[in-house]
Amino acid sequence: DVKVTQSSRYLVKRTGEKVFLECVQDMDHENMFWYRQDPGLGLRLIYFSYDVKMKEKGDIPEGYSVSREKKERFSLILESASTNQTSMYLCASSLDKKSYEQYFGPGTRLTVT
Amino acid sequence: DAKTTQPNSMESNEEEPVHLPCNHSTISGTDYIHWYRQLPSQGPEYVIHGLTSNVNNRMASLAIAEDRKSSTLILHRATLRDAAVYYCILKETSGSRLTFGEGTQLTVNP
Repeated sequence: DVKVTQSSRYLVKRTGEKVFLECVQDMDHENMFWYRQDPGLGLRLIYFSYDVKMKEKGDIPEGYSVSREKKERFSLILESASTNQTSMYLCASSLDKKSYEQYFGPGTRLTVT
Repeated sequence: DAKTTQPNSMESNEEEPVHLPCNHSTISGTDYIHWYRQLPSQGPEYVIHGLTSNVNNRMASLAIAEDRKSSTLILHRATLRDAAVYYCILKETSGSRLTFGEGTQLTVNP
């Protein structure tokens, strides 16, 4: 079974802190994705990556950056956390560009105070 | 991206079939229709996908209208564990991005 794991289920940070959210997949997938999920807005794509050291902006990249130094790991970085970044963050992976299925992690509930 | 329209919520009784509708009148010829669901406190999970023909798998069936402007996800016998938000998504053949809408909250009554 494909497993996508995220470093924390719950995280509380202060405004202005630098925040790292880590995601690891164990199936040698090429593609990895970061979404945030908010009530009334659904899931929105922040960034995605098709390969190591490659990244592409999603629909809402402002205030975020990403890093993919190894194929299995995709990190989401909040350079200076703000209260409007309080959200559920979901990581996903898929085999390649033609793959029809994305596998999601359990999510990280981030609260910025 | 072409958009989908789903009812906000639906209810069903346990062990009865459930038909979840989705309208996608602006679908293009290369868009696949995907369904995902999100159980409480979990990330979304893939359910089924199709292009033109009806599709069946162990989880559900997907019925696609002849003009492809609508589709229906069919759960043949709903269980309490099927209570979730169901998302209908159009995905381009060449891309890997998914664009989620608000989905349909399915409640299953015992």
